[in-house]
Amino acid sequence: AQSVTQPDIHITVSEGASLELRCNYSYGATPYLFWYVQSPGQGLQLLLKYFSGDTLVQGIKGFEAEFKRSQSSFNLRKPSVHWSDAAEYFCAVGAPGAGSYQLTFGKGTKLSVIP
Amino acid sequence: EAQVTQNPRYLITVTGKKLTVTCSQNMNHEYMSWYRQDPGLGLRQIYYSMNVEVTDKGDVPEGYKVSRKEKRNFPLILESPSPNQTSLYFCASSQDGASDTQYFGPGTRLTVL
Repeated sequence: AQSVTQPDIHITVSEGASLELRCNYSYGATPYLFWYVQSPGQGLQLLLKYFSGDTLVQGIKGFEAEFKRSQSSFNLRKPSVHWSDAAEYFCAVGAPGAGSYQLTFGKGTKLSVIP
Repeated sequence: EAQVTQNPRYLITVTGKKLTVTCSQNMNHEYMSWYRQDPGLGLRQIYYSMNVEVTDKGDVPEGYKVSRKEKRNFPLILESPSPNQTSLYFCASSQDGASDTQYFGPGTRLTVL
């Protein structure tokens, strides 16, 4: 069974500082990996996704993530955080290819930004 | 505008009173799913549907029912709600299953007294 671990429940950073949110997955092969963001009172929005190829993927709002097979990780990064980035971030894993119907989310990391 | 809509957005009910939360998408997506979000537990999948008349259980299906009679609609039914079903519920849709980008609705906050 696939699973996702986000080790940090809550992270606080200063505006302008760099950010890294951790995600570790468990899956027998290379899965499809996603990062979603949930702003307060909103639904989830896709930030970026990894299917194959280049292990460094770029997303919206200046975010990027790096897939590391050897570490079973897919960490999310941003070089300079803005106050509007305060939100909850979810990593998710899905089985690759057509016919994949179950998506497993991590428990989320809440990001607070200090002005 | 491409969107997933849910109704109602907020609902307070009592134990045992049947309720339905509706979900509709206007993107002609084949795949739809329901999640519940609880503090400290993240999102957990309740049910999903691969196409009309095709549904299957997710990770936490107990106490819920779904139906998919039309491609655009995927209602979530709680026939006898209990307080442990108090949660925030999200509907999502995509064209190509779980491996595709999910489009989420705005959420339905349900309280069962």
